[in-house]
Amino acid sequence: NAGVMQNPRHLVRRRGQEARLRCSPMKGHSHVYWYRQLPEEGLKFMVYLQKENIIDESGMPKERFSAEFPKEGPSILRIQQVVRGDSAAYFCASSRGQGRSNVLTFGAGSRLTVL
Amino acid sequence: RKEVEQDPGPFNVPEGATVAFNCTYSNSASQSFFWYRQDCRKEPKLLMSVYSSGNEDGRFTAQLNRASQYISLLIRDSKLSDSATYLCVARGDGSASKIIFGSGTRLSIRP
Repeated sequence: NAGVMQNPRHLVRRRGQEARLRCSPMKGHSHVYWYRQLPEEGLKFMVYLQKENIIDESGMPKERFSAEFPKEGPSILRIQQVVRGDSAAYFCASSRGQGRSNVLTFGAGSRLTVL
Repeated sequence: RKEVEQDPGPFNVPEGATVAFNCTYSNSASQSFFWYRQDCRKEPKLLMSVYSSGNEDGRFTAQLNRASQYISLLIRDSKLSDSATYLCVARGDGSASKIIFGSGTRLSIRP
């Protein structure tokens, strides 16, 4: 079991470009969560998805950010027209379900640097 | 008010000491609670779940107080390798519940 796989691990973009971060959940997990962590700060919830559905996107900025989790393939967090303030570590986590025993397992994160 | 609040620390304690962290949560509907550990520039990893009856795993003890809406973590006989940031987590049980992390408490163990 390869665990939660995120790529790229490091991504450098210039202001105005697009960033695409990918997350493949653990085998058997159908729930995906994205979190953002700024330097020296805590994890901020962004979005919670199940296959083909966005369940809760209350933590997503209103503009430029979108997420999907298609029937086939990884979950994608997309940031359009990146700005310097988007520089952060983006962590994906997955779980098997919603019950109390379904804990989150995190990927190693994708570190975005905007020049 | 933050949904999950922790003292950011840092806590700087000598090896072998006992250290305790508290965490408060604002949503009384929260059903599940966890402690995660995060090392510098690494992903968070589950340390332990927190049950109403309290639970112990080796040197680590977690307690939940629903009436006061706080969670605690006790580390006994601390080791240098315990140095990390400890994250308190609360989640609901509804179909659209999200999982909220506290900002973390930094712990540094000195020789």
